[in-house]
Amino acid sequence: DAGITQSPRHKVTETGTPVTLRCHQTENHRYMYWYRQDPGHGLRLIHYSYGVKDTDKGEVSDGYSVSRSKTEDFLLTLESATSSQTSVYFCAISGGLAGVYEQYFGPGTRLTVT
Amino acid sequence: GDSVTQMEGPVTLSEEAFLTINCTYTATGYPSLFWYVQYPGEGLQLLLKATKADDKGSNKGFEATYRKETTSFHLEKGSVQVSDSAVYFCALKIPLSGGSYIPTFGRGTSLIVHP
Repeated sequence: DAGITQSPRHKVTETGTPVTLRCHQTENHRYMYWYRQDPGHGLRLIHYSYGVKDTDKGEVSDGYSVSRSKTEDFLLTLESATSSQTSVYFCAISGGLAGVYEQYFGPGTRLTVT
Repeated sequence: GDSVTQMEGPVTLSEEAFLTINCTYTATGYPSLFWYVQYPGEGLQLLLKATKADDKGSNKGFEATYRKETTSFHLEKGSVQVSDSAVYFCALKIPLSGGSYIPTFGRGTSLIVHP
């Protein structure tokens, strides 16, 4: 199994508070991704990173920011949490040699915004 | 843009039944194709993949063949078990040299297998 951990695994927070989710990998993969998963919507990409300090927006990036200061860590921040951001958040990594490579997913963080 | 279409679920089967989950795609380049599986309460994990036309990916009794002429990558298993109950995602990715490193996922198909 690829070495990906997410923390926290569960979090309940109040509307308006900032929240940071952490993804940590031990695989030295170049690419890292944050997704959210909601019933009826499948997986939706929030942000991704293609290297240290190199990040870009996905399809549902409003209200989220990310940072990647070192290869192994990719942080997702909800600037001011809203109830619509209640979801399960997954981190994924991919990398290796140039060309085609699959993604490896973390176990997920279940976030509830009350 | 690139897209993946999967059959809607849930798919409900009895144990030992034959499984097919349809997946078709549109892509501007020459993609690699993947099936991922998500068990309850877990993240997605790679089930199988194929990188070129007529390739067959296989794993844990599941198979899928890359059909370029029909732009399809249907998932099959000859005899499902209760433990196969999960959500299955079809995905494509254009090789890095030819385009994006962002994969495109289907919406997922839930499989429920009854004893």
